[in-house]
Amino acid sequence: AQSVSQHNHHVILSEAASLELGCNYSYGGTVNLFWYVQYPGQHLQLLLKYFSGDPLVKGIKGFEAEFIKSKFSFNLRKPSVQWSDTAEYFCAVNASNAGNNRKLIWGLGTSLAVNP
Amino acid sequence: EAQVTQNPRYLITVTGKKLTVTCSQNMNHEYMSWYRQDPGLGLRQIYYSMNVEVTDKGDVPEGYKVSRKEKRNFPLILESPSPNQTSLYFCASSSLGVAGNTIYFGEGSWLTVV
Repeated sequence: AQSVSQHNHHVILSEAASLELGCNYSYGGTVNLFWYVQYPGQHLQLLLKYFSGDPLVKGIKGFEAEFIKSKFSFNLRKPSVQWSDTAEYFCAVNASNAGNNRKLIWGLGTSLAVNP
Repeated sequence: EAQVTQNPRYLITVTGKKLTVTCSQNMNHEYMSWYRQDPGLGLRQIYYSMNVEVTDKGDVPEGYKVSRKEKRNFPLILESPSPNQTSLYFCASSSLGVAGNTIYFGEGSWLTVV
């Protein structure tokens, strides 16, 4: 069965610090990978996604993620965080051969707090 | 503006009192889905629909019903809510045209069953 593991449940950083959030998945086939962000009181928003091609994916708000197939990983990075990045971050996976069910398998999320 | 709209956003109800959470999308998406989000369990899929009149169970369908009479709407029905259905619910939609298309989410509905 597919599963997604996010290594850090809570992260606290100061502004301008660099961020890396770990995400590993278990699935033997081809996957689509996503990072979503949930700002306080708001809905889930897509940060970035990987389907194929360049394993280094650029997203919105300066975020990027690297797909390393051999490690089954899709870590999220940002060189310099801002207070406005305080949010919950979710890694999710969708099996490419899942047919018409776009079901996402989710990690449990990482709560990021950025201190000004 | 592309939107998935859920109502109500917040609801406190009593055990056994039927309720419906509505979901509407304005993107002409074929695919719609409901998730619930619980601490320590993450998001889990309840039901999904690939098109009008086509629905199927997700991972945690017990205690829920859905319908898809129109493409834009996908209501979640709790016929007899119980306290273990207290959760944050998200509706999602996506096009089926290309694998891996972005999935859009509503703002979430906080449901408390007492």
